[in-house]
Amino acid sequence: DAKTTQPNSMESNEEEPVHLPCNHSTISGTDYIHWYRQLPSQGPEYVIHGLTSNVNNRMASLAIAEDRKSSTLILHRATLRDAAVYYCILASGSRLTFGEGTQLTVNP
Amino acid sequence: DARVTQTPRHKVTEMGQEVTMRCQPILGHNTVFWYRQTMMQGLELLAYFRNRAPLDDSGMPKDRFSAEMPDATLATLKIQPSEPRDSAVYFCASGSPRADWNIQYFGAGTRLSVL
Repeated sequence: DAKTTQPNSMESNEEEPVHLPCNHSTISGTDYIHWYRQLPSQGPEYVIHGLTSNVNNRMASLAIAEDRKSSTLILHRATLRDAAVYYCILASGSRLTFGEGTQLTVNP
Repeated sequence: DARVTQTPRHKVTEMGQEVTMRCQPILGHNTVFWYRQTMMQGLELLAYFRNRAPLDDSGMPKDRFSAEMPDATLATLKIQPSEPRDSAVYFCASGSPRADWNIQYFGAGTRLSVL
């Protein structure tokens, strides 16, 4: 499975935008970029995914670099409930290989 | 609100005992995954099924772990005999063939402690 690199932790203030980066320089043409998050004491939760184009949904936006070697998850207005571990995952089949993710802290 | 249901939520047992964890996937989902999460190893895929048939169980210790889907509404993960190193949170996830089949929906997990 292709590998992703994320910062171990990031901090944000409530109601401010958050940009969570992910590097995936060995991505293949068939790999989708997925983002999941895991709130404390809960199972992972799907956030968003994309292949080549930027994507928006009710939770977040995903900006994908033109060469697809990096991507950024954007939370437009962070809330305290967004504090979680965010995982960037490359998937070309059913398997999801979770790395260590980024622990996001949201300050009131 | 459709969700994956896992039982029990917590299980404390003694070394050597059999442990059975159950998962009810979202109705209509045909792919079921079992993961294990520990502080040391993070989230690891143990096994997954499609249409009740095992597709990949390479992440599962074969000597003591077994995973089955007796029917489309129930997946089980058994450990026999259990060992202290099996202490972890076990997650089940399911996926839909009608939507994007790479999206997985996770249950709340079973927290297992083996003493």
